Amino acid sequence: QVQLQESGPGLVKPSETLSLTCSVSGGSISSYYWSWIRQPPGKGLEWIGYIYYSGSTNYNPSLKSRVSISVDTSKNQFSLKLNSLTAADTAVYHCARHSIAFPHYFDYWGQGTLATVSS
Amino acid sequence: QSVLTQPPSASGTPGQRVTISCSGGSSNIGSNTVHWYQQLPGTAPKLLIYTDNQRPSGVPDRFSGSRSGTSASLAISGLQSEDEADYFCAAWDDSLTGYWVFGGGTKLTVL
Repeated sequence: QVQLQESGPGLVKPSETLSLTCSVSGGSISSYYWSWIRQPPGKGLEWIGYIYYSGSTNYNPSLKSRVSISVDTSKNQFSLKLNSLTAADTAVYHCARHSIAFPHYFDYWGQGTLATVSS
Repeated sequence: QSVLTQPPSASGTPGQRVTISCSGGSSNIGSNTVHWYQQLPGTAPKLLIYTDNQRPSGVPDRFSGSRSGTSASLAISGLQSEDEADYFCAAWDDSLTGYWVFGGGTKLTVL
C-alpha cells in the first residue's frame, strides 16, 4: 500500500520561505506525477502544482511566481518551496499521487501538515 | 472562491438518498472528467469516484457519480452515519497551461 508523509516546520514567519517534503513509501516515485495541494482552515482545496518523476513541472497560475517543486528519486521524495509568505498561506499542505492511468486523478494522499504563517 | 461550485452543506436521514452538485465551466467540467473525494475529520482525502462514475475497489456501490454539460453530481443512497464527512469535486481546467480545480466542499450531515 502506497503511503505519503509530509514533513516540515509547523510555523514560519511572514516573507520567509516554506519548505516541505513528501516521503513516499510502499511504491516507487518513478513513472508517476506528484502534486501538492493545500487547504486553508475552514476552506476548500487549492492545487499548488505537480512534478513528474523526471522533473517536469506545472504550477497553479495564481501561485506560479512563488512556487518551486523538486524531486529526489534516490530518496523517493519530492519537495515544495513557497516563498514570500503571508498569513493567507496558512493551510494544511497535502501531497498526493496522480493515477498512472489517464485521465489522471489523485489516487493516494498524505494526511497533511499544518503550516502556520505568523511572526 | 473556488472555481467549482458546491453547496456548503447537505443532510439526510439514515437510509435516504442524497445528491451533491458540482458546477463548473466549459474549460473544466465541460471538457474534462470529474473526480470526487471524501474527507473525514482530521484525515487525508480519500478517492470516492473517478472519471465521472467509476468506483475504486472498496467503495460501496451506494456511491455513484454523473456528469452532464458543465455540472456533475455525487449521489449517496442508503445513507449511513459513517457517510458524515466533507465531499469535494475536482477536475482539470484547460485554461492557460492547465491546472487542477476543486469545489469548495460540501459538509454532509446524517441526521
